[in-house]
Amino acid sequence: DAGITQSPRHKVTETGTPVTLRCHQTENHRYMYWYRQDPGHGLRLIHYSYGVKDTDKGEVSDGYSVSRSKTEDFLLTLESATSSQTSVYFCAISGGGQDGYTFGSGTRLTVV
Amino acid sequence: SQKIEQNSEALNIQEGKTATLTCNYTNYSPAYLQWYRQDPGRGPVFLLLIRENEKEKRKERLKVTFDTTLKQSLFHITASQPADSATYLCALLMDTGRRALTFGSGTRLQVQP
Repeated sequence: DAGITQSPRHKVTETGTPVTLRCHQTENHRYMYWYRQDPGHGLRLIHYSYGVKDTDKGEVSDGYSVSRSKTEDFLLTLESATSSQTSVYFCAISGGGQDGYTFGSGTRLTVV
Repeated sequence: SQKIEQNSEALNIQEGKTATLTCNYTNYSPAYLQWYRQDPGRGPVFLLLIRENEKEKRKERLKVTFDTTLKQSLFHITASQPADSATYLCALLMDTGRRALTFGSGTRLQVQP
């Protein structure tokens, strides 16, 4: 999607290993978000950022950490991956207020 | 608890008909509501926003209504086409302490030619 890229697009990792997903934007938007999407649950917020070094937890933050050292990059880290973290992860950006979100193409993560 | 409900069953309609999708929410009075479209393997795409003081919003073949008394939004696609087949998500800012949207689980629309 224009202005936002996620990497990698697909990843298979073993239980217990650390994993970092990257979200990069070129829109200079203040807000960045990480969601996971699972069948039957829809999109659930993991963490979000409202500025450089400013982050907050979402509804499913356990087992995840984030960092935002630059406006354009928002990293999601699974410190020790578990099978329950197998999911599709979406990053989104927003200019704030009532702006609609722009989503990335997603990362399909499989923990075996 | 606060939640958003969308019909989890797929909606199947014939081409040319009007599709109507429902989004219900509980225990909150959002200032606005958004609708997104998601195609398989892709991220959601923002379609429309409607504010609490707007009863209806239109964009081309799309129409959204927002009834804050019923706590419900209806999303209409008129003269539907097979290309409209997708999952449609509604989203609300349900927790002002957390500045992020809460999404419904979506309703899959299938338009038959």
